[in-house]
Amino acid sequence: AQTVTQSQPEMSVQEAETVTLSCTYDTSESDYYLFWYKQPPSRQMILVIRQEAYKQQNATENRFSVNFQKAAKSFSLKISDSQLGDAAMYFCAYKRRGGADGLTFGKGTHLIIQP
Amino acid sequence: GAVVSQHPSWVICKSGTSVKIECRSLDFQATTMFWYRQFPKQSLMLMATSNEGSKATYEQGVEKDKFLINHASLTLSTLTVTSAHPEDSSFYICSARYRGGETQYFGPGTRLLVL
Repeated sequence: AQTVTQSQPEMSVQEAETVTLSCTYDTSESDYYLFWYKQPPSRQMILVIRQEAYKQQNATENRFSVNFQKAAKSFSLKISDSQLGDAAMYFCAYKRRGGADGLTFGKGTHLIIQP
Repeated sequence: GAVVSQHPSWVICKSGTSVKIECRSLDFQATTMFWYRQFPKQSLMLMATSNEGSKATYEQGVEKDKFLINHASLTLSTLTVTSAHPEDSSFYICSARYRGGETQYFGPGTRLLVL
């Protein structure tokens, strides 16, 4: 079975600085998807970024980018120019390609933005 | 695009009663919908997967007779918590994906409190 591990329960960063959230996963599949979701205090899950395992290029979405290391099974999220609105829980998630599977989530990282 | 709604957002009920939660995809046809449960300060745990027109698939440890799922149309799935008990109090979140899609879009969640 696949597992997703987020080893940082909480991270703090100064506004406008850069922060990196870590995620590792374990799977026997070769083709899968990885996601970062943001959950603000409203508890609405918001997709931040998505990475397809067969793509070597790291995904980017404006200030958000990932460092995907397939061999190491590592998928970190970098947030540049941190803003107060980035404060939230961030969940890393895994899904194998093609199946009607749900997502397997990590335990989450609480990101605090210091003004 | 890809908006998912849930109703109600908040529900309080007495122990022993049943509660129905609706999940709707507003601007796309959702061939698969998922139900997750989230306890305070914890991650999301997949409860079940429902495909339109077929029986739901439940995760290990989830009681099928307690959590009834119906996916009657391509835009609506319902979760009924039967004979609710205080330990069923939680945050229930649905997600949906369209045919061939790998990304799940989440509803805003439903807070259930059983007294």
